[in-house]
Amino acid sequence: GAGVSQSPRYKVAKRGQDVALRCDPISGHVSLFWYQQALGQGPEFLTYFQNEAQLDKSGLPSDRFFAERPEGSVSTLKIQRTQQEDSAVYLCASSTAAYNSPLHFGNGTRLTVT
Amino acid sequence: GESVGLHLPTLSVQEGDNSIINCAYSNSASDYFIWYKQESGKGPQFIIDIRSNMDKRQGQRVTVLLNKTVKHLSLQIAATQPGDSAVYFCAERSQGAGGTSYGKLTFGQGTILTVHP
Repeated sequence: GAGVSQSPRYKVAKRGQDVALRCDPISGHVSLFWYQQALGQGPEFLTYFQNEAQLDKSGLPSDRFFAERPEGSVSTLKIQRTQQEDSAVYLCASSTAAYNSPLHFGNGTRLTVT
Repeated sequence: GESVGLHLPTLSVQEGDNSIINCAYSNSASDYFIWYKQESGKGPQFIIDIRSNMDKRQGQRVTVLLNKTVKHLSLQIAATQPGDSAVYFCAERSQGAGGTSYGKLTFGQGTILTVHP
């Protein structure tokens, strides 16, 4: 596929469970971003990778959130001990290395914590 | 803190009319702006972008205008169609501390565009 792929599309977790969300960026894209989007709001930045290096994780809400991109391609966002406030759509985006290049988003994973 | 906001949360138009969606930004250091369209259940889709050294940029049926004096951005959609119904977000990008930059975007809240046939 030519676009950013995210899985699963939907995830229901019981409070306290751990979840892992996967992102397959566009092939060759150096930059990878994770965003969180609450209902009716714009996406909020979580973290950024340049290849395998996590250069900015200032948006991660707590130490329960962890992201990795070990080989500079696929990325995983992990949330430990999920809480109800973690319910949101988690979007992954990728782009080329150029500063003025748009982010290409996947369709997101909708996480519902019950 | 710095933010990007929208004047109108909803916009309703008739098919064939022109639509204008507005956005105010507060970070004068922002030098790149993007408009995204988001349909229900999908991720944001790139529409058009503009750099701060430009005032206007045109695409297919869309035009983005940038007024740096009043920190205002607008998206004009010509001959709006029902398929244009979606939430529209403006987003800004600015360089980080020490001149570093990697393309982090800050999004506004969004405007819901509804096109009636």
